[in-house]
Amino acid sequence: KAGVTQTPRYLIKTRGQQVTLSCSPISGHRSVSWYQQTPGQGLQFLFEYFSETQRNKGNFPGRFSGRQFSNSRSEMNVSTLELGDSALYLCASSLVVAGGSETQYFGPGTRLLVL
Amino acid sequence: GQQLNQSPQSMFIQEGEDVSMNCTSSSIFNTWLWYKQDPGEGPVLLIALYKAGELTSNGRLTAQFGITRKDSFLNISASIPSDVGIYFCAGLRKTSYDKVIFGPGTSLSVIP
Repeated sequence: KAGVTQTPRYLIKTRGQQVTLSCSPISGHRSVSWYQQTPGQGLQFLFEYFSETQRNKGNFPGRFSGRQFSNSRSEMNVSTLELGDSALYLCASSLVVAGGSETQYFGPGTRLLVL
Repeated sequence: GQQLNQSPQSMFIQEGEDVSMNCTSSSIFNTWLWYKQDPGEGPVLLIALYKAGELTSNGRLTAQFGITRKDSFLNISASIPSDVGIYFCAGLRKTSYDKVIFGPGTSLSVIP
């Protein structure tokens, strides 16, 4: 099975612009979660989508949004970029195993640099 | 938000030595996951733990889900140079907020 794929891998934007990142989950996985990773804050949960609906949300401003399509692919959008948004954005797809437990598999990430 | 404590923060060990790291929290989790991340890449899942007390191995790696459901440890036996990287623990629970919490990571360096 192919793993989680994310595009683009690298992106440079300027303050005030907006950006859209894409994630394709592992085939058969219906849950997609997004994370922001920075040296200072570590890995922080942004949101999770399941069957095209946002199921969980972390503590990020409304400039961060996402959506999921019927084929489980997900996009994350950040509007009005700030310097502090420079980070590695990771997508993880989830498989719920027997008993309702969940395992997350990560993509390679999109490295965003805001100038 | 909720935090996980992960220790040690960094380790420098000799090739062939065993390594032990752990994660603790004041909250209960339903699942513990251990990941390894190389620079510029996404975390790679090493071991998943689903039940309190569960002990699971993956090659030279062994991890346990603490009985209290508030902690987990990861052991690496006979370390090799390719074990170098940052190891993260993650606790999962079925809530709508802070569903997944990651530890700050343990940076492992292996001296050949």
